[in-house]
Amino acid sequence: EVQLVQSGAEVKKPGESLKISCKGSGYNFTSYWIGWVRQMPGKGLEWMGIIYPDDSDTTYSPSFQGQVTISADKSISTAYLQWSSLKASDTAMYYCARGWGQFDYWGQGTLVTVSS
Amino acid sequence: DIVMTQSPDSLAVSLGDRATIICKSSQSVLYSSNNKNYLAWYQQKPGQPPKLLIYWASTRESGVPDRFSGSGSGTDFTLTISSLQAEDVAVYYCQQYYNTPRVTFGQGTRLEIK
Repeated sequence: EVQLVQSGAEVKKPGESLKISCKGSGYNFTSYWIGWVRQMPGKGLEWMGIIYPDDSDTTYSPSFQGQVTISADKSISTAYLQWSSLKASDTAMYYCARGWGQFDYWGQGTLVTVSS
Repeated sequence: DIVMTQSPDSLAVSLGDRATIICKSSQSVLYSSNNKNYLAWYQQKPGQPPKLLIYWASTRESGVPDRFSGSGSGTDFTLTISSLQAEDVAVYYCQQYYNTPRVTFGQGTRLEIK
């Protein structure tokens, strides 16, 4: 069974750093792209970026370029999304999802709350 | 970016009735070389991640009930639920992947029971 399991909810202060994870199982992790999608409270879906775990080829949405870093460790079938300095406006649910184009499997989401 | 616009923003339909959601793209998502529309539909129930329902505008994902259907081409698309069930209450999103990897989603349509 294909699964993407994300790390747990986080509560952080503005200016802090954070790295959340997405672990794939049940398929060949290195053969599929992993995308990250943001959903702000009560809002829609925003594509942030995507990575190919086999060679870490990464593309960012212009809206998120320079704001986050996407990475992957294929040895442990895990993709990451990280911030070096969080802002209150980063408060959102973050999803990882498998696919190039349409996303056929999604993680359960990681809720990130940034508040002083 | 290709802008995806859904209508209506919210919709209330009686159980057993048909529900129709429209999605329009700011430019065609039909790729002429393979005659495929790069358009997907997702369902998101409260507290859950989105679930892929339909891709290539009209191909149902495995396990999706056949009351869900997608149609359209170019810039105009429709998601139809032929006979609304209680478990279909959700927010529905269209997504273009013509510009993969720079995909974009519609703003979502909230579907409720009347």
